[in-house]
Amino acid sequence: QVQLVQSGAEVKKPGASVKVSCKASGYTFSSYTFHWVRQAPGQGLEWMGWINADNGNAKSSQKFQGRVTITRDTSASTTYMELRSLGFGDTAVYYCARRATTSDHGMDVWGQGTAVTVSS
Amino acid sequence: SYELTQPPSVSLAPGQTARITCSGEALPIQNAYWYQQKPGQAPILIIYKDTERPSGIPERFSGSSSGTTVTLTISGVQAEDEADYYCQSADYSGTLWVFGGGTKLTVL
Repeated sequence: QVQLVQSGAEVKKPGASVKVSCKASGYTFSSYTFHWVRQAPGQGLEWMGWINADNGNAKSSQKFQGRVTITRDTSASTTYMELRSLGFGDTAVYYCARRATTSDHGMDVWGQGTAVTVSS
Repeated sequence: SYELTQPPSVSLAPGQTARITCSGEALPIQNAYWYQQKPGQAPILIIYKDTERPSGIPERFSGSSSGTTVTLTISGVQAEDEADYYCQSADYSGTLWVFGGGTKLTVL
């Protein structure tokens, strides 16, 4: 079925990096753009960036520029989000979501979320 | 940086109509989307392109747009509609996205 399955929870120390994966199944991977969104405990949704699965073009929020890298592996139908130089404020649930690249139906399928905890 | 503004909370009794607004300068030229999120769950898309409803979303959910404000309307709210609601859109370039701060809907 149509779904996005994310990698498991992570615990990291301050200053470390984390790489979260998001595997797509049930549809044509290259027809979509994948967004990454995070949610700190008790807070709202925060958009981080996107990647076009077809051509690999990516864009990230200015807030994370220099710290985040979004990539994809078309052979594995998987997108990745790496966040570096982690601080306590990066503790959050990280979500991936798909959006059709050539037709606008919004972010209609979401991953289950990956909890990242930054703790010393 | 671009921002979308929502009221932090809305409270009403079952059967009443909820209207949640979202304001942003680029909304006249960019589509808006609405998501519902319940505790411990991933968000669910309930409105896209300002007014369109995905299949499976109840008809009581509708969206509208006027100038720099978009509105999510829930006609005849039910207890199961209690959740956080987020609007989303893009900036003038269409490449940088943003969410509103979210509105907590409480059904009394």
